[in-house]
Amino acid sequence: EDKVVQSPLSLVVHEGDTVTLNCSYEVTNFRSLLWYKQEKKAPTFLFMLTSSGIEKKSGRLSSILDKKELFSILNITATQTGDSAVYLCAGAGKSTFGDGTTLTVKP
Amino acid sequence: NAGVTQTPKFRILKIGQSMTLQCTQDMNHNYMYWYRQDPGMGLKLIYYSVGAGITDKGEVPNGYNVSRSTTEDFPLRLELAAPSQTSVYFCASSYRGTGDGGEAFFGQGTRLTVV
Repeated sequence: EDKVVQSPLSLVVHEGDTVTLNCSYEVTNFRSLLWYKQEKKAPTFLFMLTSSGIEKKSGRLSSILDKKELFSILNITATQTGDSAVYLCAGAGKSTFGDGTTLTVKP
Repeated sequence: NAGVTQTPKFRILKIGQSMTLQCTQDMNHNYMYWYRQDPGMGLKLIYYSVGAGITDKGEVPNGYNVSRSTTEDFPLRLELAAPSQTSVYFCASSYRGTGDGGEAFFGQGTRLTVV
């Protein structure tokens, strides 16, 4: 059975801090790992990673995949209150989601 | 662009009732998905479709049925609703499979309560 585990489950930081979110996976026929941000409602796409060691970057967010160790990290630097959300990773495969990391950024 | 549209946004069902959650997308995407999300949890795949006329089960298909007669529409049918089906339901679509780099676009969700 496919499995995606995220850690930590929740995190509280202050504005300006840097955070690292973790995602480990065991996915049959793995093809890619996807990160999503979920605020009040629907998840929105952040990154798709297919190759080991290649960092994807978008502003203050970046992510990298390690296919040998079967994990990915999502980094957010200089956090802002608008980064408060649930961050989900999914292994595809058949699109198996982890339970998410709830990030709260305090002013 | 409308993207992925789900109706209704909220619904309360009594145990044993049936209903259909509607999902339509206007992006001409081949792939469509139904997920459920229980409080504090990630998304669980219920059913997915790779094109009109083709559907397949996801992780948690029991108690649900789907059909895909057109590219645009992917309704989810709940028969004999049970309290365990209380959840938020998301429909999503992608041009390619998520495993092939297809970014999924999500609808705004349907909050279903079964009492």
